[in-house]
Amino acid sequence: LAKTTQPISMDSYEGQEVNITCSHNNIATNDYITWYQQFPSQGPRFIIQGYKTKVTNEVASLFIPADRKSSTLSLPRVSLSDTAVYYCLVGDTGAGSYQLTFGKGTKLSVIP
Amino acid sequence: NAGVTQTPKFQVLKTGQSMTLQCAQDMNHEYMSWYRQDPGMGLRLIHYSVGAGITDQGEVPNGYNVSRSTTEDFPLRLLSAAPSQTSVYFCASSRGRHGYTFGSGTRLTVV
Repeated sequence: LAKTTQPISMDSYEGQEVNITCSHNNIATNDYITWYQQFPSQGPRFIIQGYKTKVTNEVASLFIPADRKSSTLSLPRVSLSDTAVYYCLVGDTGAGSYQLTFGKGTKLSVIP
Repeated sequence: NAGVTQTPKFQVLKTGQSMTLQCAQDMNHEYMSWYRQDPGMGLRLIHYSVGAGITDQGEVPNGYNVSRSTTEDFPLRLLSAAPSQTSVYFCASSRGRHGYTFGSGTRLTVV
């Protein structure tokens, strides 16, 4: 399982765009990149998943360069409710096995 | 559509007691997993299952047993509770690579 590295914490003001970068130098060919969000006392919540280039949904965008050794989660115009821990995961979802390995995540604090 | 349901939400055990944490999902997901989360830490994988009748160990399996007799249920058994097992336990399910759905967690304290 590929190991990931992301900043421990980040601060942002309300209304700003937040970019959280994750490093995964040992990503394998079959690995997908997935981001989860976790609020205190709740289970993680799936945000976005991608394999290469750019993926966008209603809450975030995920940018993946051609070498796939890093990825960036972009949250547009954050609000106080976006204060949470964000986890970057890399995993192979084929061959009948799909393990998720969580690191410590990035604690995002949104300031009024 | 209930998603992933975990029971109980809170539990206090004495050292040496055994108990079962229940997890049920109604989404017909083939993959299910159990994680534990300690304060200030990420989630660590305990056991996982890729389908009924198939289970395997994760990163921290010692002291825990699982079984998967049906697609819907994936109970986690603590054989002889120890203070080191005080944690928040999350169950999750997934249909392949489409992202895991997590339950709301069980907060376990072993005294």
